[in-house]
Amino acid sequence: QKEVEQNSGPLSVPEGAIASLNCTYSDRVSQSFFWYRQYSGKSPELIMSIYSNGDKEDGRFTAQLNKASQYVSLLIRDSQPSDSATYLCAVPGAGSYQLTFGKGTKLSVIP
Amino acid sequence: EAGVVQSPRYKIIEKKQPVAFWCNPISGHNTLYWYRQNLGQGPELLIRYENEEAVDDSQLPKDRFSAERLKGVDSTLKIQPAELGDSAVYLCASSLDPPVYEQYFGPGTRLTVT
Repeated sequence: QKEVEQNSGPLSVPEGAIASLNCTYSDRVSQSFFWYRQYSGKSPELIMSIYSNGDKEDGRFTAQLNKASQYVSLLIRDSQPSDSATYLCAVPGAGSYQLTFGKGTKLSVIP
Repeated sequence: EAGVVQSPRYKIIEKKQPVAFWCNPISGHNTLYWYRQNLGQGPELLIRYENEEAVDDSQLPKDRFSAERLKGVDSTLKIQPAELGDSAVYLCASSLDPPVYEQYFGPGTRLTVT
């Protein structure tokens, strides 16, 4: 059974700091990984996808993948109050296009 | 480009009543997903369509839930009869054909069963 684990938080960081969100997964053959942002009362919004080991940067967001450790993280640099949301990690299983989502980490950026 | 459209946005019904949700995916997206999200949880897949074909419905409670995607575009998810435990947000998502995994969600329908 595929499992995706995230620290539920809340994670509080001051404005301008780096927020670090972590996700571990159980399916060793997973090849792609996704981060979604979900504001309260809204639907998930895809913000990052990563397929290869290492780092992928997009603006203030950096996704980091370590397949050997079955670990993927999301770094948010220069955190803004508008980044306050729940961040969901999603992982598909081998041979399956079904995404398994973690429960999400709630991030609060304090002005 | 228009995103995934869902209606209604909110629905309040009494238990044992039927309810239906409608979804129109992003143009050109042949794969459509229905998810259910409970408070404090991530979305859980109910059913996945590739064009008109339901290719993954193993987590759909078939005794009371049904879905259809006629003509491979719009889709409807139905619950009959609704139970108190069905209160949740029902999300529709779409993506390009596999092996693309990026899924884009609609605004969801918040269902409250009283």
